[in-house]
Amino acid sequence: SQKIEQNSEALNIQEGKTATLTCNYTNYSPAYLQWYRQDPGRGPVFLLLIRENEKEKRKERLKVTFDTTLKQSLFHITASQPADSATYLCALEEKRSARQLTFGSGTQLTVLP
Amino acid sequence: GAVVSQHPSRVICKSGTSVKIECRSLDFQATTMFWYRQFPKKSLMLMATSNEGSKATYEQGVEKDKFLINHASLTLSTLTVTSAHPEDSSFYICSAVLAGGTDTQYFGPGTRLTVL
Repeated sequence: SQKIEQNSEALNIQEGKTATLTCNYTNYSPAYLQWYRQDPGRGPVFLLLIRENEKEKRKERLKVTFDTTLKQSLFHITASQPADSATYLCALEEKRSARQLTFGSGTQLTVLP
Repeated sequence: GAVVSQHPSRVICKSGTSVKIECRSLDFQATTMFWYRQFPKKSLMLMATSNEGSKATYEQGVEKDKFLINHASLTLSTLTVTSAHPEDSSFYICSAVLAGGTDTQYFGPGTRLTVL
């Protein structure tokens, strides 16, 4: 069966450290993998998209890696701040889909001051 | 740019009534919009894909007669929950894809539906 797993439901880290979130998938052939941020009671906000032929993408303090052999994406936030506290969702778009996304269950990140 | 709005942000209704939720792309045209629902501490579950000028495509297990979707223009899609019941209480979120753009989905702020 198909699964997208974000294997930490919650993650607490100290301010200034690097947060690393994991997204693993099985039985998918993703064309893209995307990461979103969601605050309580709000819709997701797009952060980064990485294609199947890309290994790494960066945007300011954010970095995403994509390993299609391991079927895994890692999402890093460097120099984390309390304002980074939120739920982070990974989402896959399959090659056969019509721009449809399948979401993981999310990791709730708390950055402690 | 790429702002999506939803109206209303919260609605409380009585069991048996119908509720309409609007999703608008404010500064771009969207040929495709998606409707999701989300339960507390759970992920987004895709309900249907809405294409402008054609019938929506529903995911398995989603009743099309209960969740009516209309995508009448390139900037507006509506979701009507008909004969709502308490189990329909949820957070409903729409997203829109920029016409002619990449596959990035831009999400609305969500609508909290509570059915009494």
